[in-house]
Amino acid sequence: SQELEQSPQSLIVQEGKNLTINCTSSKTLYGLYWYKQKYGEGLIFLMMLQKGGEEKSHEKITAKLDEKKQQSSLHITASQPSHAGIYLCGADTADFNKFYFGSGTKLNVKP
Amino acid sequence: DGGITQSPKYLFRKEGQNVTLSCEQNLNHDAMYWYRQDPGQGLRLIYYSQIVNDFQKGDIAEGYSVSREKKESFPLTVTSAQKNPTAFYLCASRTGGNEQFFGPGTRLTVL
Repeated sequence: SQELEQSPQSLIVQEGKNLTINCTSSKTLYGLYWYKQKYGEGLIFLMMLQKGGEEKSHEKITAKLDEKKQQSSLHITASQPSHAGIYLCGADTADFNKFYFGSGTKLNVKP
Repeated sequence: DGGITQSPKYLFRKEGQNVTLSCEQNLNHDAMYWYRQDPGQGLRLIYYSQIVNDFQKGDIAEGYSVSREKKESFPLTVTSAQKNPTAFYLCASRTGGNEQFFGPGTRLTVL
């Protein structure tokens, strides 16, 4: 089965600092998705990347897809307390039926 | 308003009891999914359905059952065969290769 490994598992940063979360796949990526989750709630979709080299941004969050490395990174610039939560990457499988998630990165932003 | 709803928000189960978690969507999405999330972990796929009257097992289907009699509904039954059912359950839907939309989740606790 496809495995997605996220790093780091948790992160505590001072408000205003930049940070990066990585997601590495054990298999070819057909579509990579980033979600954010507040504790005890559903997931909020952030971005979807499909092509190697693709980069997308939304407000202060940028995600990139390195197809050769089967890896994606999520970068937050000038972090704010509102960025705190759990960030999860997810990926399609070859037949686009199943979907897999990484174990998540817990982000805490100190004011 | 289009969206995906789950009920109840909290559910308590006694040993040996079957319980059913509801998931309804009015997004006209073809595919629906059930995930389980344990503390500090990512999401694991229980069952998924691409069309009405058809569903497939995910990675941790043992002790669970589903039905897909209507496009908008995908209820999950946690049976007494599931030995460790205490977890947060999330339902999602999608259409094509687009992102999944998630419900708010149901927290199940075994008494």
